[in-house]
Amino acid sequence: IAGITQAPTSQILAAGRRMTLRCTQDMRHNAMYWYRQDLGLGLRLIHYSNTAGTTGKGEVPDGYSVSRANTDDFPLTLASAVPSQTSVYFCASSDWDTGGYGYTFGSGTRLTVV
Amino acid sequence: AQKVTQAQTEISVVEKEDVTLDCVYETRDTTYYLFWYKQPPSGELVFLIRRNSFDEQNEISGRYSWNFQKSTSSFNFTITASQVVDSAVYFCALSEPGTNDYKLSFGAGTTVTVRA
Repeated sequence: IAGITQAPTSQILAAGRRMTLRCTQDMRHNAMYWYRQDLGLGLRLIHYSNTAGTTGKGEVPDGYSVSRANTDDFPLTLASAVPSQTSVYFCASSDWDTGGYGYTFGSGTRLTVV
Repeated sequence: AQKVTQAQTEISVVEKEDVTLDCVYETRDTTYYLFWYKQPPSGELVFLIRRNSFDEQNEISGRYSWNFQKSTSSFNFTITASQVVDSAVYFCALSEPGTNDYKLSFGAGTTVTVRA
């Protein structure tokens, strides 16, 4: 693993089903983020975590939950998927607290809810 | 309120033309960081540049250049002598470490199409 790994790469999901998008980093970054990308809206923050054990809500948190049990993993769960959650999801981490002032993004998960 | 505004939704140019992408941001912080990312058709986000609020010097990197003007809250990006490989969606983004825990706020993106 180098950087951020997201899984799955893509998924077609039936409405009402539960789904967890996985995100793992190997850079020991404290902060991690989940964004969704929709045409014409750019990337919008869903949830974030500044450090293991803490999480916070972003701009569009409804319908999503996250956990941060350790530094490396930051899964995003859709408890009961709806078609409006069809999107491309990006996980990211940042090294601000170590002076890097940068962000690393995963390759994205393309989710289609039907 | 939208923190980052990219007014241009789409730009189409012929190869070798210059193209300028506008970015206007809004913040009350004195310390902030601005970014540009490129998203080619393959979908990954490619980091292009980071600029902090205390450094207003323009920057040039090959065919890319950036013009940062605090007076107008703008951080515009110019591609000189565009090439087909420049076709992508370009995002401007803002981070305000003092108020938002380093969260990155993105503009809506500008889709650039370079025709051969």
